[in-house]
Amino acid sequence: AQKVTQAQTEISVVEKEDVTLDCVYETRDTTYYLFWYKQPPSGELVFLIRRNSFDEQNEISGRYSWNFQKSTSSFNFTITASQVVDSAVYFCALSNSGGYQKVTFGTGTKLQVIP
Amino acid sequence: NAGVTQTPKFRILKIGQSMTLQCTQDMNHNYMYWYRQDPGMGLKLIYYSVGAGITDKGEVPNGYNVSRSTTEDFPLRLELAAPSQTSVYFCASRDPGPNNQPQHFGDGTRLSIL
Repeated sequence: AQKVTQAQTEISVVEKEDVTLDCVYETRDTTYYLFWYKQPPSGELVFLIRRNSFDEQNEISGRYSWNFQKSTSSFNFTITASQVVDSAVYFCALSNSGGYQKVTFGTGTKLQVIP
Repeated sequence: NAGVTQTPKFRILKIGQSMTLQCTQDMNHNYMYWYRQDPGMGLKLIYYSVGAGITDKGEVPNGYNVSRSTTEDFPLRLELAAPSQTSVYFCASRDPGPNNQPQHFGDGTRLSIL
């Protein structure tokens, strides 16, 4: 069975601080995919990144960076110099590699960036 | 680019009423999904479809039905609305190509059963 744990329910930071959102996953598959989605207060789900299990390179996109470590089954997300517009709920998700892509979502981390 | 379109955006139902949540996508994706999101929780899969005429149950299918007569449309039906079905419903679609393409989500339907 697949499982995604986002232990941080809510985080508050002051603008310009760095913040890391934790994601720990469980799967028996050797090939799988990890995702992060952002859900701003308006409610839509916005895709941020996809990573497959064979690619452990860290990725940076502007102020966002992701650290994937298979040894600890973690896929953490860091926002550098946070901004008020980063305030949202962030979901980590895990998918198997084939078929209809069964996706298991974590319960989300609500990030509040205080001006 | 319309993407995935859900209607209505909001709806209030009385217990026992029925309704259909509409979902349509214009990306020619074969795979479509319905999720529900309860407060403070992640998304739970209700039903999914891998193509026209093919549907299957997800984690929480009880109380719902779906159909997939065309590639574009994937409506979700509640036959006898119950308070436990108060939730936000998201429809998603995906290109079944390689490398597990991400799902594209609609903006959601907020449903309250009173």
